[in-house]
Amino acid sequence: GAVVSQHPSRVICKSGTSVKIECRSLDFQATTMFWYRQFPKQSLMLMATSNEGSKATYEQGVEKDKFLINHASLTLSTLTVTSAHPEDSSFYICSAVTPATHTEAFFGQGTRLTVV
Amino acid sequence: GQNIDQPTEMTATEGAIVQINCTYQTSGFNGLFWYQQHAGEAPTFLSYNVLDGLEEKGRFSSFLSRSKGYSYLLLKELQMKDSASYLCAVMDSNYQLIWGAGTKLIIKP
Repeated sequence: GAVVSQHPSRVICKSGTSVKIECRSLDFQATTMFWYRQFPKQSLMLMATSNEGSKATYEQGVEKDKFLINHASLTLSTLTVTSAHPEDSSFYICSAVTPATHTEAFFGQGTRLTVV
Repeated sequence: GQNIDQPTEMTATEGAIVQINCTYQTSGFNGLFWYQQHAGEAPTFLSYNVLDGLEEKGRFSSFLSRSKGYSYLLLKELQMKDSASYLCAVMDSNYQLIWGAGTKLIIKP
């Protein structure tokens, strides 16, 4: 099946710094990628929908100036958590939908962000 | 509003069969997905249903009734490694996935 690679898998950063998370579709072109956040023992919460070549669509309550999303190519989307705070500590996951049929969403491995 | 309901937690015995139900109300329907998620890991795709009926894939089967807004995931010959959360998700008319909260499945020896 299609592969989505997410990097880094774990990151620890100091409060106030920024962290960039990359999501790459390795063997297909992903016109749309999704960014999720998952807190312990909770389901995935959609943060934003990233469309190649256009601005991301953010879900209600998600600060677009804090969570910067760039989808500059058909195989790469990035999420930058700016001025991170301890409450931003979470599991961030990206996914990409197969463009032709939308029949499957493939997930990256996830990024465990800890802000200290 | 959009809503996906599934049980919070289920317990089953190794070697047995378990059925995890999912009911949904969404704006549009472009398929229903089941994912398995082990703690600390990203979800893994299990199945996709867009037409009514049963889809079988090895020990796992998934059923869909669009008229009832209902699906279930059936796991046979349970193994300890099947202990995980099982997420039901529906793709709406905008091709966005609407997620259930997940069902934590506990397998006992």
